[in-house]
This record gives sequence, structure tokens and C-alpha cells, in this order.
Amino acid sequence: DSGVTQTPKHLITATGQRVTLRCSPRSGDLSVYWYQQSLDQGLQFLIQYYNGEERAKGNILERFSAQQFPDLHSELNLSSLELGDSALYFCASSVGDTGANVLTFGAGSRLTVL
Amino acid sequence: GQQVMQIPQYQHVQEGEDFTTYCNSSTTLSNIQWYKQRPGGHPVFLIQLVKSGEVKKQKRLTFQFGEAKKNSSLHITATQTTDVGTYFCAGHYGGATNKLIFGTGTLLAVQP
Repeated sequence: DSGVTQTPKHLITATGQRVTLRCSPRSGDLSVYWYQQSLDQGLQFLIQYYNGEERAKGNILERFSAQQFPDLHSELNLSSLELGDSALYFCASSVGDTGANVLTFGAGSRLTVL
Repeated sequence: GQQVMQIPQYQHVQEGEDFTTYCNSSTTLSNIQWYKQRPGGHPVFLIQLVKSGEVKKQKRLTFQFGEAKKNSSLHITATQTTDVGTYFCAGHYGGATNKLIFGTGTLLAVQP
């Protein structure tokens, strides 16, 4: 157990639907990162939050949004889902907000869009 | 934008053989990290390199950071079946960018 909790572990939904993935960072970590892992795309950085504020943005689609709440947990919202959104979504956390910090990953949420 | 390329994509070795994966960035990195993802698992941090030309060892694993801080390598001596997994480098682009960009990964298969 890495200390980073992600729910749900698996999610199957249909195209056009909306889902929310949840992440609780490791105790003491203030930064939360979201990554998408597809078979042919590796680990794609989506977005980072630090203590409730957006810190860095990657190639996150406009249909996707995220936020970090005062208790530091984060949610990734995926809407108007397409088949290509099927992937493993990882949340990671770190103590600080710079790239010098080591990331601790959760077990991931596997999304299947049918 | 920043890109981190990693080669090879896949490597199959016999147990006991050595293995090396290479990581290259188009621009200078602030630091580089290495992660290992076992099949069906999540990435787990291995090591971070910060200084130009830095070399670090962890048992059979040797990590190097290039002099220009644009490339890195991971070398495993005498592979074991427990080394199976995907090895990712992750380059940090500092300053206003402040992003950790993962390489494409190298999948290592070890035949007993």
C-alpha cells in the first residue's frame, strides 16, 4: 500500500457519459498529480494541484477537469466520454510542488468506455 | 513542447544477461527520476539524479545522468526474473514549466 488511495479501481461506462475519479494523497503530501496511461501512449501528464491550487497543466482535454479540495483529496472529472478515453488513470502525490519531489503513485483507476 | 524519448521500447533477455535503457530529452533537464512499474502494478520510484554526470548505484542497478543533463541511462547487471517490468525515466523541466514528463518506457522481459 503506497498510501495514495484511488477509487474506483475499475469503471465501465458508455460513450457520452460522465465519470468522476477520486484520489486521496499520502498523509502529509500537498501535491496531487493525474496521469493517463494508455497502451500506446505511456504515462501522459494531465494536471497537478498543490494545496488546492492548479500548479501545472499537461495535455488535458477540455472535456476533462479536476480540482483539489481543502482536505487535499482530488477529483478528476471526465465528460462526454469517447472510446479513446479508455485507459488507466493514475493519481500521484508528493510533499512539495516542484519537480524535485518524488511521486508516490496510487494503484490506478481503470476506465473502460464501451 | 518538452519530450522525453526512451529506447528500446522492449527488451527480452535471458536471466543473467545485462540490460540497459536510455532516456533522451530535447532540452536540458533540472533532474531526472526513474520509476519501475511491475506488470499490473503502478510506477514505483527508484532514484533521482540531479547533478551533471552523476552516477548512482543500487545493488545491480546503475543510473547515470549525462554531462549536458539531457540524457540518462539505467543499466542492470545480471538480470533476474524479479527485474521484469517497465522502466520509466521522468524528466523534470524546471522554472515556469515545472512539469515532470515521463518517457515512453522500456518493457523488460527476463527469460529464466
